[in-house]
Amino acid sequence: EVQLVESGGGLVQPGRSLKLSCVASGFTFNNYWMTWIRQAPGKGLEWVASITNTGGSTYYPDSVKGRFTISRDNAKSTLYLQMNSLRSEDTATYYCTRVQYSGAFDYWGQGVMVTVSS
Amino acid sequence: DVVLTQTPPTLSATIGQSVSISCRSSQSLLHSNGNTYLNWLLQRPGQPPQLLIYLVSRLESGVPNRFSGSGSGTDFTLKISGVEAEDLGVYYCVQSTHALWTFGGGTKLELK
Repeated sequence: EVQLVESGGGLVQPGRSLKLSCVASGFTFNNYWMTWIRQAPGKGLEWVASITNTGGSTYYPDSVKGRFTISRDNAKSTLYLQMNSLRSEDTATYYCTRVQYSGAFDYWGQGVMVTVSS
Repeated sequence: DVVLTQTPPTLSATIGQSVSISCRSSQSLLHSNGNTYLNWLLQRPGQPPQLLIYLVSRLESGVPNRFSGSGSGTDFTLKISGVEAEDLGVYYCVQSTHALWTFGGGTKLELK
C-alpha cells in the first residue's frame, strides 16, 4: 500500500523558515517524480514544487521560486520542502504527492498545516 | 500562463442524477507528443484530493465507472452518471501540458 506521511508543519513567524518532510512507503521511491501542492484555508489547490526521480532537476512556480527548495533522499524514501522567508500568504495545508507517468498526482499524503503569523 | 476555468462553481444534485462539470483552458492542452495532459481530482470534505481521471478519459484504478471524462483541445467535461452520496465534494481539473501544473478553481458538488 502506497503511503505518504508529511511532518514538520506548525506556526512560524513571517520571515522565518520551516522544513517539511514526507516519508514514502509502498512503492519504489526513486522511480517517481514527487511534488508538493498546497491549499490555503477555504481555497483551491496550488502547485508548489516538483522534483525528478533522481533529484537532478527541480521546478517551481514564480510564487515560491527563490524562497522554497524541494529535495529528496532516495536512500531514505523521503521528500523535503525547505521554506524560507515565509509570508502570511504561504499559510496553507501542504500535500506531498506522487507523480504518475502521465503527470497526474496519483497518491496524496494527508497534508500538514503551515501557519505563518506573528 | 494557462488558465483553467471550471463551470459551474457550484452544482446541486439529487442522488441518482447525472451531472457534468466543464473545464475550459485558455490554450489547447494537446501536447506536441499527441497526448493531452488533463486530469480530474475529487476532494471530499476534510480529505486530501484523489485522482479520478487522467489523460482526459482514463479512469484511475478503483474509481467507479459512473465517472467519465471527455474532451479535446480546450474544452473538457467530467460526467457523473448517477450521483451517489460519496461523490459530494470539490472537483478540480488540472493540466500539465504547459509549464508544469495548473489547477482549475474547483466545482463544489452538493446535495439538493
